[in-house]
Amino acid sequence: QSALTQPASVSGSPGQSITISCSGTSGDVGNYNLVSWYQHHPGKAPQLLIYEDSKRPSGISDRFSGSKSGNTASLTISGLKAEDEADYHCCSYAGTTLHYLFGTGTKVTVL
Amino acid sequence: QLQLQESGPGLVKPSETLSLTCNVSGGSISSSDYYWGWIRQPPGKGLEWIGSVFHSGSSFHTPSLKSRVSISVDTSKNQFSLKVRSVTAADTAVYYCASLWRATDVFDIWGQGTMVTVSS
Repeated sequence: QSALTQPASVSGSPGQSITISCSGTSGDVGNYNLVSWYQHHPGKAPQLLIYEDSKRPSGISDRFSGSKSGNTASLTISGLKAEDEADYHCCSYAGTTLHYLFGTGTKVTVL
Repeated sequence: QLQLQESGPGLVKPSETLSLTCNVSGGSISSSDYYWGWIRQPPGKGLEWIGSVFHSGSSFHTPSLKSRVSISVDTSKNQFSLKVRSVTAADTAVYYCASLWRATDVFDIWGQGTMVTVSS
């Protein structure tokens, strides 16, 4: 099986908005409303940001938003802050054989 | 507040078995709301889901590792464990345990991860 495809890196200045894409197939991202996004600061536990394509868990800032179009999901971070500098991973349910596929990961740099 | 913590050897020899345990605190591993999962990240690469287990012991795994992986649960200790047999350098990674919320298929709580190196 193949991982979902994310850009290796995305950068932006404080206050700007950035978008990270997560490209899959009609067997995973495009077939289920079950894409999730995780923020990961190195050395710490990854944190859930978005689930079911666009829902935010309680306690997650509304600066983080998720969307999906066809086989591609996206995470948008608005009002970029220095603390947003981290790695971001998408994940999709992919059926009863592959179960869960993660993305290749994106490093976000705040300039 | 649910918390998970991985433990196990940081160095494993090639061809041997990698064994890790995840201790669950702040909640019961017998909850029907959750599966319990293992995920790894090789150096410089993305995350890879390894497999998950229910409190009953029923488990499911990624096809690429299925023949070498076993995941078990010990409800008396509130722990679950991972074994990867016949390891090679390709199994070198940070290994995470996580709770998998069944209702939404999301890994909602993660441990901090433990680095395992396969080397002689």
